[in-house]
Formats: sequence, C-alpha cells, structure tokens
Amino acid sequence: QSALTQPASVSGSPGQSITISCTGTSSDVGGYNYVSWYQHHPGKAPKLMIFEVSNRPSGVSNRFSGSKSGNTASLTISGLQAEDEADYYCSSYTSSGTWVFGGGTKLTVL
Amino acid sequence: EVQLLESGGGLVQPGGSLRLSCAASGFTFNTYWMHWVRQAPGKGLVWVSRMNSGGSTTLYADSVKGRFTISRDNAKNTLYLQMNSLRVEDTAVYYCTRGRNYYFDYWGQGTLVTVSS
Repeated sequence: QSALTQPASVSGSPGQSITISCTGTSSDVGGYNYVSWYQHHPGKAPKLMIFEVSNRPSGVSNRFSGSKSGNTASLTISGLQAEDEADYYCSSYTSSGTWVFGGGTKLTVL
Repeated sequence: EVQLLESGGGLVQPGGSLRLSCAASGFTFNTYWMHWVRQAPGKGLVWVSRMNSGGSTTLYADSVKGRFTISRDNAKNTLYLQMNSLRVEDTAVYYCTRGRNYYFDYWGQGTLVTVSS
C-alpha cells in the first residue's frame, strides 16, 4: 500500500487560510468517506483534527475543515495562528482493511 | 481522561526481539479496537497493526507480517506488540492509538525503538 500524497510543506501568514491536499486512489481516499487528519507537534502525541472527511471532534477549532473530491481530500485551516504550526497527516481506510497515511505536510506560520 | 502510555522501547541488535506495552486508562478498554502506528526518524506515520476489542482478530502491514504480533490483556487494560526478527528499518517511534470506527481518536506519546549493531 503506497502512502497517500501530500505536499511536503505549506506556509501562510497569521490570519490567512491554507489548504493541504491528500491524494490517494479509488482503493482508499476515493472509495470511502473514511479520511481523517492529524496534527503532530514533534515529540508530542498526534491529535485528531478531522474524521470521516469533514467532521470535527469536540474541542477542535472550527477554523479547521475538511473536504473530499474524487481521490483527493483536503484540510483547510482558516485564520492561521502561530500554534497551528505543526506537521499534518491525512489517513484513509483502505480496501485491504488496513489504513494508510500521507507522507505528512509541514505547516509553517510566517 | 483518556491516557495511553507506551513503554518497552530501547536499543536492540538486528535480528533481536522487543515487546512494547501500552497501558490504557480513562475509558472502557475492552470495547475499543487498538492499533500500533510508527514513525521512522524524519519520516511520516505508518500504520502497523490492529486488534479488535475482544482480541480475536488481528491485521498487519505487509512490512511486519510474520515478524510482529499484536495482543491485548483486557483484564490489565494493556496492549502489546511483540517484535521479532527486528531490522534496521524497524527503527521508529511506536505509537499506541485507540481506534474509533475508521479513525484514531487518542494517541500515546510513543516509545522509541532503535535497531542497530
């Protein structure tokens, strides 16, 4: 199972919006509404930000939103804040019954 | 409060074995699937294995199949990962994570496994 494709890095200024893409295949992202997104500050536990494409867990800011079109899912962060600077990973359930992650995207808040 | 605390990592020679543990608290452990996910140095997250809530079914990534064994003791609220025939490429931080439907809702802070001679 190949990793989902994410951009290696994205950046934005405070207050701006950014979008991180996550491209898979019809056997994972395109085949199921089971895409999730995780925020990871190095050295800490990853944190669930979005589940089932577009749902936010309780306690996650509504500045975070998710969507999907075909084989590509997206995470949008609006009103960028300094504390949003982290690594972001997408994940999808697959037709093999396993899970696959993206390679990760480093978000820099300028 | 949900807590997952991994332990058992360390330095091991290629071909060696190690058993990781994940102590869970703050939730009804025996009602959740549990997973292991790893992250090699400078690399992304990779799903490793999962076990269902009752401990009757397991699944593994191809890269560890036949070498790693996931298990759980629901009486002790603990998840395990027995790692045999370790390779240099198994070097990673190993995370224990709680499965919720088809996503991972809580994660531990991880334990580092280094495979090196």
